[in-house]
Amino acid sequence: EIVLTQSPGTLSLSPGEGATLSCRASQILSSSNLAWYQQKPGQAPRLLIYGASGRATGIPDRFSGSGSGTDFTLTISRLEPEDFAVYYCQQYDNSPRTFGQGTKVEI
Amino acid sequence: QVHLQQSGPGLVKPSQTLSLTCAISGDSVSSNSAGWAWIRQSPSRGLEWLGTTYYKSEWRRNYAPSVRSRITINPDTSKNHFSLQLNSVTPEDTAVYYCARAIGYYTLWGQGTLVTVSS
Repeated sequence: EIVLTQSPGTLSLSPGEGATLSCRASQILSSSNLAWYQQKPGQAPRLLIYGASGRATGIPDRFSGSGSGTDFTLTISRLEPEDFAVYYCQQYDNSPRTFGQGTKVEI
Repeated sequence: QVHLQQSGPGLVKPSQTLSLTCAISGDSVSSNSAGWAWIRQSPSRGLEWLGTTYYKSEWRRNYAPSVRSRITINPDTSKNHFSLQLNSVTPEDTAVYYCARAIGYYTLWGQGTLVTVSS
């Protein structure tokens, strides 16, 4: 099973600042089969990024993904108030599909 | 627009079977471009993929090793929905359960159902 380790656990920032979230895989992901999700309290996760860098429909361009191999990054260029949430990475290179433990972006 | 609507009980007794249904609108459970998955989330286990069903010449199912001996995911083409059955539940199966549209990653999620395993 591929283990995904996200860092940091919590990111304390202010609106307007940039955020950089990391996701490291325990083995190389071929074809960059990695996705990112945003989850707000009481809501289901929402797809942000697929294929490591492709933005899902309706996702603002302040969200961007990068990386390959075992190291991946989600960048939020300028935090809006609605961006404060928990972010998860997920690999779909191998079965079982696995998720990281999450990074909380808080004010 | 695709929408997933979950239904099922929020309380299950230990050793009994957890059963949930996910109704699909705007897409087909028989789609040849997507699968249909169940994922759960708990404070102790985080987000955990449980299994996926999809149609590719025939119905196929992939299950997580952690639940493989206890889980069944079934499509119902007449009702355009899919279901989750998890047998022999324990308090460790207490979680929010989500259904999702799957193409490797999960493009759309149901609203979630909190299922508590307790007597």
